[in-house]
Amino acid sequence: AQTVTQSQPEMSVQEAETVTLSCTYDTSENNYYLFWYKQPPSRQMILVIRQEAYKQQNATENRFSVNFQKAAKSFSLKISDSQLGDTAMYFCAFTKTDSWGKLQFGAGTQVVVTP
Amino acid sequence: DTGVSQNPRHKITKRGQNVTFRCDPISEHNRLYWYRQTLGQGPEFLTYFQNEAQLEKSRLLSDRFSAERPKGSFSTLEIQRTEQGDSAMYLCASSGDSRNTEAFFGQGTRLTVV
Repeated sequence: AQTVTQSQPEMSVQEAETVTLSCTYDTSENNYYLFWYKQPPSRQMILVIRQEAYKQQNATENRFSVNFQKAAKSFSLKISDSQLGDTAMYFCAFTKTDSWGKLQFGAGTQVVVTP
Repeated sequence: DTGVSQNPRHKITKRGQNVTFRCDPISEHNRLYWYRQTLGQGPEFLTYFQNEAQLEKSRLLSDRFSAERPKGSFSTLEIQRTEQGDSAMYLCASSGDSRNTEAFFGQGTRLTVV
């Protein structure tokens, strides 16, 4: 069984600053995908970024980037130039390649961006 | 297509009553997933469909829960004899088959059992 751990319940960051969210996972699988999802107060989950485990290069999407350390089973998210609209719950999620789309989520980190 | 649609958005029911939720996925998506999310937690997988076939059910899905996707389009999730512990947000998501696709989530149905 896979587990996903997010150890930071809440993070606060000022506008324009950078914040890093941590995520660790446990799996015996070699082929899998990792994701960061954002859930704003309206509650609809939105995909922020994804990482294929077989790719060594860290994924980036505009102001969002990840630090994927496969051996350490670590997958952190960096939000650069934070904006007020980034305020949300952020969930780290895992899916095995052979059960694509069935997501295992962490408990989430609440990010609060302050002016 | 306006995305994944879930109805109702909110449901309050008395303990012991049956409730049914509906999910309309993105039309070209053949995979549909149900998750349950309690306050302060991440979503937990309940079940998923490939077209009309229910491929996997979590141990969280007790006998009181049943999900259907009769024609491979919309899906329903029914909870019989509701209990207070069933109070949660029920999320639906859909995706294509390809690993290049992402899962799109609906806004959820918030169930309160009183």
